[in-house]
Amino acid sequence: DQQVKQNSPSLSVQEGRISILNCDYTNSMFDYFLWYKKYPAEGPTFLISISSIKDKNEDGRFTVFLNKSAKHLSLHIVPSQPGDSAVYFCAASHSGTYKYIFGTGTRLKVLA
Amino acid sequence: DVKVTQSSRYLVKRTGEKVFLECVQDMDHENMFWYRQDPGLGLRLIYFSYDVKMKEKGDIPEGYSVSREKKERFSLILESASTNQTSMYLCASSFIDRGKRRAKNIQYFGAGTRLSVL
Repeated sequence: DQQVKQNSPSLSVQEGRISILNCDYTNSMFDYFLWYKKYPAEGPTFLISISSIKDKNEDGRFTVFLNKSAKHLSLHIVPSQPGDSAVYFCAASHSGTYKYIFGTGTRLKVLA
Repeated sequence: DVKVTQSSRYLVKRTGEKVFLECVQDMDHENMFWYRQDPGLGLRLIYFSYDVKMKEKGDIPEGYSVSREKKERFSLILESASTNQTSMYLCASSFIDRGKRRAKNIQYFGAGTRLSVL
């Protein structure tokens, strides 16, 4: 029972263009969502988050959009840079717990 | 800067061996977590601890146990290693900010231990 799904295992984007990574969830109790980035041989690092009271959160080149009715969130990276090449995990949680449920990850490759 | 250190980057063990994976954090975090990462399955929570000597099962606790005798250290124990426990193991920690709702406490990860069970 995969409560958080990332249906695209991989994505390739040209440098300077927009990268859009998608994530779907099934549990309507989730009210906090995060994106983590993972380079090979390193642990995941926190990138950006969004609370369910918002529909957008922006941090520099990274923007996360939340569509609660569709139970869908997306991460936009503009402009994409070769250093953004990594695996991106979305995660979801609800306010009653410290636990996250992670998606399966999307490998982003930004081509120079 | 938060530092979460996992004692080994690579480990090779034989089936039936008892295996200890160690994790230490230096930020006085209350919460600590153990995950495993497998291709196509993402990160799955094995166990977590919200205080010394306290533990709670995650989504896949079978075949594992944990120990938290000191606040900074959280150990994952494979009582009798099996080949299906070959995986990347990731430790994380987070603090309890009582001014925030629980979910907003960011987890900080170690670099991971790649365990091979032969």
